[in-house]
Amino acid sequence: DIQMTQSPSSLSASIGDRVTITCRASQGISNYLAWYQQKPGKVPKLLIYAAFTLQSGVPSRFSGSGSGTDFTLTISSLQPEDVATYYCQRYNSAPLIFGGGTKVEIK
Amino acid sequence: QVQLVESGGGVVQPGGSLRLSCEGSEFTFSSYGMHWVRQAPGKGLEWVAFIRHDGSNKYYASSVKGRFTISRDNSKNTLYLQMDSLRTEDTAVYYCTRDAVAVAGSGTRSDHWGQGTLVTVSS
Repeated sequence: DIQMTQSPSSLSASIGDRVTITCRASQGISNYLAWYQQKPGKVPKLLIYAAFTLQSGVPSRFSGSGSGTDFTLTISSLQPEDVATYYCQRYNSAPLIFGGGTKVEIK
Repeated sequence: QVQLVESGGGVVQPGGSLRLSCEGSEFTFSSYGMHWVRQAPGKGLEWVAFIRHDGSNKYYASSVKGRFTISRDNSKNTLYLQMDSLRTEDTAVYYCTRDAVAVAGSGTRSDHWGQGTLVTVSS
């Protein structure tokens, strides 16, 4: 199975900082990658699909990039409401593997 | 708006069985593939299984293959997960999710999630 590796596993940044999370696939997955946000105690929410397409209603400070094996999720200006754990997921073929998650906190 | 409501969680002994249900509403249930995703306490997300909109194809994570069975009844707008030979490592919140793409082949991203149901496997 194609595995997904996220880094870092956690980070702490200041309000207004640019935050970047990476996700690496063990084999090429084209652009079949989604990003989810899970706030503490809440249900996960789809943020981005097809590597860079924002889901409806997601703030424009979130963006995604990459193709093949290396992908990034960027928050251009970190806000207090962005405190959450972020997960990538590949969906080129089953099984649909999630990355291990990146916990984002405010410094 | 799309609603997904899971039920059937509880406490079960190792080796036991449990059946989870998920009722969908406010969308055409029979047009969408459905997933089960789980999250062990304090851990990350783990995709469990997917079933096509018409039930014609099913896919499983290697960790549950042969023990769990996903199914659906489109006349009842309900998704199921039959869990047999349960292990302590199956303890998790189980989420029912809707695939974002109508009539998707082997599953894509999940655009709607239920609130989850907790399964605890313990003696």
